[in-house]
Amino acid sequence: DAGVIQSPRHEVTEMGQEVTLRCKPISGHNSLFWYRQTMMRGLELLIYFNNNVPIDDSGMPEDRFSAKMPNASFSTLKIQPSEPRDSAVYFCASSPSTGGWGTEAFFGQGTRLTVV
Amino acid sequence: DAKTTQPNSMESNEEEPVHLPCNHSTISGTDYIHWYRQLPSQGPEYVIHGLTSNVNNRMASLAIAEDRKSSTLILHRATLRDAAVYYCILRADYKLSFGAGTTVTVRA
Repeated sequence: DAGVIQSPRHEVTEMGQEVTLRCKPISGHNSLFWYRQTMMRGLELLIYFNNNVPIDDSGMPEDRFSAKMPNASFSTLKIQPSEPRDSAVYFCASSPSTGGWGTEAFFGQGTRLTVV
Repeated sequence: DAKTTQPNSMESNEEEPVHLPCNHSTISGTDYIHWYRQLPSQGPEYVIHGLTSNVNNRMASLAIAEDRKSSTLILHRATLRDAAVYYCILRADYKLSFGAGTTVTVRA
């Protein structure tokens, strides 16, 4: 398996524009996570999906952020409108449901977003 | 979330063992102890996890104190590729909550 695939790897956009980040989880994994990493706040969980259903979105900063998982092999994180403070590295991760919370999560390479 | 405490940084020489401590005095009986690492410009990478017993895998060993209030990640022979931030995480549900971690520097 190719692992968790994120696209694009880098994105530069102007303030006010819509940004869409994409994630393809590992086949067969039921859990999907979106994280954001900044120097100031470290790695933060934004949203958690299980079997394509959003279970916990308490980490989503505000209404400008939205995430979807239309099927088991694809998820998007959208920011509209984007602001300079959204600049960060966004990671997607997936893990299998079997094995409970002793299972490992697999992270993608991340998308580095810069909003100017 | 149960909290963990790790040193900010550690240095090691190449091919020497590295012992990374983690304190988790408020751990509950259902918390798994997970370790992840993050190499520069990459996503976090799973290293090892355990519940009560010591664990070994190809990457590292995890030694868990008998009272489970602390644990130690052991890299048996550090290489330059092991230079990374290492995170000790307690996991009782779906959340993996990352703290600041320990930045490991490996000297050639």
